[in-house]
Amino acid sequence: QVQLQESGPGLVKPSQTLSLTCTVSGGSISSGDYYWSWIRQPPGKGLEWIGYIYYSGSTYYNPSLKSRVTISVDTSKNQFSLKLSSVTAADTAVYYCAREGRGLRKWDYWGQGTLVTVSS
Amino acid sequence: DIQMTQSPSSLSASVGDRVTITCQASQDISNYLNWYQQKPGKAPKLLIYDASNLETGVPSRFSGSGSGTDFTFTISSLQPEDIATYYCQQYDNLPWTFGQGTRLEIK
Repeated sequence: QVQLQESGPGLVKPSQTLSLTCTVSGGSISSGDYYWSWIRQPPGKGLEWIGYIYYSGSTYYNPSLKSRVTISVDTSKNQFSLKLSSVTAADTAVYYCAREGRGLRKWDYWGQGTLVTVSS
Repeated sequence: DIQMTQSPSSLSASVGDRVTITCQASQDISNYLNWYQQKPGKAPKLLIYDASNLETGVPSRFSGSGSGTDFTFTISSLQPEDIATYYCQQYDNLPWTFGQGTRLEIK
């Protein structure tokens, strides 16, 4: 059974960089069949797709966040990571990592989510 | 970006009712649409992919239909455990985008 688990600080100061890691277990991140995504949800609001990475390192970012986002992968640790720079209160959200199929473009496995609050 | 518009935004129904949610895309997305269920404090769960295909393990009372710009999600007989917010999501054009969600409550 594939499992994803987000980890990282729950509190980030404004203007600093948010950093999260997603650890994948029960399957290899190096499988060529999947992309690895980050999705976020501000409290009480809807879902926003941030971007994805392929095991090779190729990425696609949502243009709305592209200037501030970096997603990277560490295949040796079966992990991928998110960095979001210059954060403001508007970046306060639950951040989810998820697995997306390359053929069938569906997020079939998700992490439980981690709340990141931007506040001084 | 492709805009996804769901209606209604909220819905109250009784156990056993047939429930329908619609999702409209701002341009033709063929059948590249998924439906997710999200319960409070939980990650979204995939219910329907490719507009009408039931994800493995999902009860058959859930179904989806449509293509092009207009899509429908149906619960044939509402159960208490179906209380959640439901989202449509398109994957025709990057960036992937979601509808704003439909909150389903028990009457």
